[in-house]
Amino acid sequence: ELKVEQNPLFLSMQEGKNYTIYCNYSTTSDRLYWYRQDPGKSLESLFVLLSNGAVKQEGRLMASLDTKARLSTLHITAAVHDLSATYFCAVDGASGSRLTFGEGTQLTVNP
Amino acid sequence: NAGVMQNPRHLVRRRGQEARLRCSPMKGHSHVYWYRQLPEEGLKFMVYLQKENIIDESGMPKERFSAEFPKEGPSILRIQQVVRGDSAAYFCASSLGPASGNTIYFGEGSWLTVV
Repeated sequence: ELKVEQNPLFLSMQEGKNYTIYCNYSTTSDRLYWYRQDPGKSLESLFVLLSNGAVKQEGRLMASLDTKARLSTLHITAAVHDLSATYFCAVDGASGSRLTFGEGTQLTVNP
Repeated sequence: NAGVMQNPRHLVRRRGQEARLRCSPMKGHSHVYWYRQLPEEGLKFMVYLQKENIIDESGMPKERFSAEFPKEGPSILRIQQVVRGDSAAYFCASSLGPASGNTIYFGEGSWLTVV
């Protein structure tokens, strides 16, 4: 059974600081997704990582994938308050039929 | 091109009533997935359907829950005799298929509250 673990689960940081969220998964996967969710809202797709060594950046967020280590990271650079949200990683199992989500990282950026 | 459409967005039901949640996939998508998000938790897979077929229902509770995706019309997630523990956000997603490279797109979600 595919397991996906994120850490930290809760992250409080000051504006302007950098931090990394980690996503470990237990079995081989073809794709890894990062999503953002604001309270009471749906999932906003941030990144889709398809291959080992993939790195994608959008604004202050950068995601990377190491399939050998079964690890993805979401790096936040110079955080701003608007980044406060819950961030989920999700892994597509080998069958490609469904996503398994991590528990989510609740990020709070303090002014 | 409209995205994945879910309705109702918010639904309130009394204990023992039935809840029906609808999902229209993106145009051209024939693969639909339902996920449930309990308060303060991540999303959990429930069921994966293609037109007229249930492909994987390993995440569905054994009783009271059912799903269908008919040849015509939206996919429906049906919860009979709802209980307070069914209160959650239910998300539908769709894709072109399970093959690598086919992105899964999520709908806006349906929030069920059981009182």
